[in-house]
Amino acid sequence: SQTIHQWPATLVQPVGSPLSLECTVEGTSNPNLYWYRQAAGRGLQLLFYSIGIDQISSEVPQNLSASRPQDRQFILSSKKLLLSDSGFYLCAWLTSGVDTQYFGPGTRLTVL
Amino acid sequence: GDSVTQMEGPVTLSEEAFLTINCTYTATGYPSLFWYVQYPGEGLQLLLKATKADDKGSNKGFEATYRKETTSFHLEKGSVQVSDSAVYFCALRNQGGKLIFGQGTELSVKP
Repeated sequence: SQTIHQWPATLVQPVGSPLSLECTVEGTSNPNLYWYRQAAGRGLQLLFYSIGIDQISSEVPQNLSASRPQDRQFILSSKKLLLSDSGFYLCAWLTSGVDTQYFGPGTRLTVL
Repeated sequence: GDSVTQMEGPVTLSEEAFLTINCTYTATGYPSLFWYVQYPGEGLQLLLKATKADDKGSNKGFEATYRKETTSFHLEKGSVQVSDSAVYFCALRNQGGKLIFGQGTELSVKP
């Protein structure tokens, strides 16, 4: 069966520090991968999605970037964090031919 | 553009009460519709889905029917439990393949 992992689970970082969040999927090949952010208002904002290795689409201009160095690995990064980057970051995957996205456990990021 | 609108929360109910969370959508074509649930501190879990008009999705006592004529996908449960306390998200998958979420509805069930 397919599983999705995210780490770290929680992270506290100072403003201006770099960021790297990792998401990996097991049990499937060539998934579509997604990064969402959930801010304090609970709404979900799509940040990036990827249909394949090194194929990344950005949904909103921001302080973040994403990379997909391997088929089942999706990384969210920043060179310098802002206070507004605080939130709950969720990774999700979807397999071609299936219309359901499945979510990872999330990473709670607090920028101080 | 495509969008999903949910009733605003928080919704507070007593245990064993009947639950309805309204969800309406705007989209071209025939999107698939979903309900996700988020328990405190956790990621989103798929609760149920429906892929075409008049389909009924159901899981864990929750139900929702895809109503094309009213563009709605209301979530219902006949008797809620304290363990159902969570945030519920309605979503659609549009023709472009993107998942569009509503703003979420917080449910609090009191014993």
